[in-house]
Parts: sequence; structure tokens; C-alpha cells
Amino acid sequence: TQLLEQSPQFLSIQEGENLTVYCNSSSVFSSLQWYRQEPGEGPVLLVTVVTGGEVKKLKRLTFQFGDARKDSSLHITAAQPGDTGLYLCAVTYNQGGKLIFGQGTELSVKP
Amino acid sequence: DTEVTQTPKHLVMGMTNKKSLKCEQHMGHRAMYWYKQKAKKPPELMFVYSYEKLSINESVPSRFSPECPNSSLLNLHLHALQPEDSALYLCASSQDKGWTSGRAKEETQYFGPGTRLLVL
Repeated sequence: TQLLEQSPQFLSIQEGENLTVYCNSSSVFSSLQWYRQEPGEGPVLLVTVVTGGEVKKLKRLTFQFGDARKDSSLHITAAQPGDTGLYLCAVTYNQGGKLIFGQGTELSVKP
Repeated sequence: DTEVTQTPKHLVMGMTNKKSLKCEQHMGHRAMYWYKQKAKKPPELMFVYSYEKLSINESVPSRFSPECPNSSLLNLHLHALQPEDSALYLCASSQDKGWTSGRAKEETQYFGPGTRLLVL
């Protein structure tokens, strides 16, 4: 079983639509990270959420950490083709700084 | 400078070849990582170096051999690879502040652009 369940795994929408990506777990985490990865590039950190109930905004992206710190969501308002990419949630697990990723959400925004 | 560089960007090798992937960072980070990523899948951790010492090996086959010559450099030596080893190999680094009150390190990892490897 996956430590982080991410959904949906694929999403194809038109420019201007809104979308939400979910990252769920039965475990409690002290923090959670969201990355975006474009084809042929490494993942780039978008945000780290650390407090239960926390909401962070990054332009048209809104990130929320669940009150119980077991889940998180990423909401994109008025998606643009430049938002296309693989979105990954991740947590640090156990010792050694091991980063565990969700399965990823492949987002395609068509003009 | 928050850049992690990787060379080469692309690599094609035969199953009998020996090649090396290189990673470099100048952020003063003391933890460095190798990940393997298949298409449309999340990265999977292979190795972690902390203060130039190997701290995690995720049961990676011995045909992959990591090396950390100094705090800025990380290599991955490849020998006798299989076609199924074709993937994007990502390097990452983080500060490695160590344990805080027994909690796992939670530090931002900065990723390089990766080396796209094809094994024929």
C-alpha cells in the first residue's frame, strides 16, 4: 500500500477551468511538500505546509494541509497551459531524510 | 545559488559499457541523493549520502555504485546495466541539519534536471 494516495492520476482540462488534486494518507505528518515537474526536468518545490489547517497561496495555486495533518490538497484556479506538468506530493519519512512521493498527477491544460 | 547540476543530460549505453553520472551543488549542502524515475511515475530513492558517507542504500543492485568524492560532488557509476534500468536519474541535495529532538530531518531537497539514460 502507498503511504500517500494521490488523485486523480491523470487530468486533462481546458484553459480557464479550475481543478483540485488530493493527497491522502492514514498517517500523520509534521509537514508535507508539493512539487511540480515538467518533462525532462527535475521536480521543483512549490510549497511546504507544516501546520494543521494551514492554507498557502502561490498566485493561482492554493495549498491546504488537513486539520489532522493526514491529507493535503492543491487547487488551481483558471488553469493555463503553462500549468501542465506532473504534480507530486511528498513527505519525509523516518530517519535519513527519505522523501516519499505520492503517485503523481499528470495535468494537461489545453489552450 | 539554488542550483543542482547534472551531466550528462542524455546518455545511451550498451549493456557491457561502464559510464558515470555526475552531480554537483555549491549550496553548502551536506546531504545528497540519487533517485530513479520511470516515465509518469514518482521518483524512487536509491541512495543518500550524509556528510560524504553513505547513509541509505535502498537495496539497489550492485551494478549501480555511488561515490561522493567531496561535499559538492556526487557520482553514480554504472556497469553492466539492463534495458529495464533505462530511466531519468535525478540528483538532489539538502542542508542536512541532522536530527531535531529525535524527529526525522525535514528539509527541502533541491533537484537537478536529471540524466535521461537509455540502455540498449
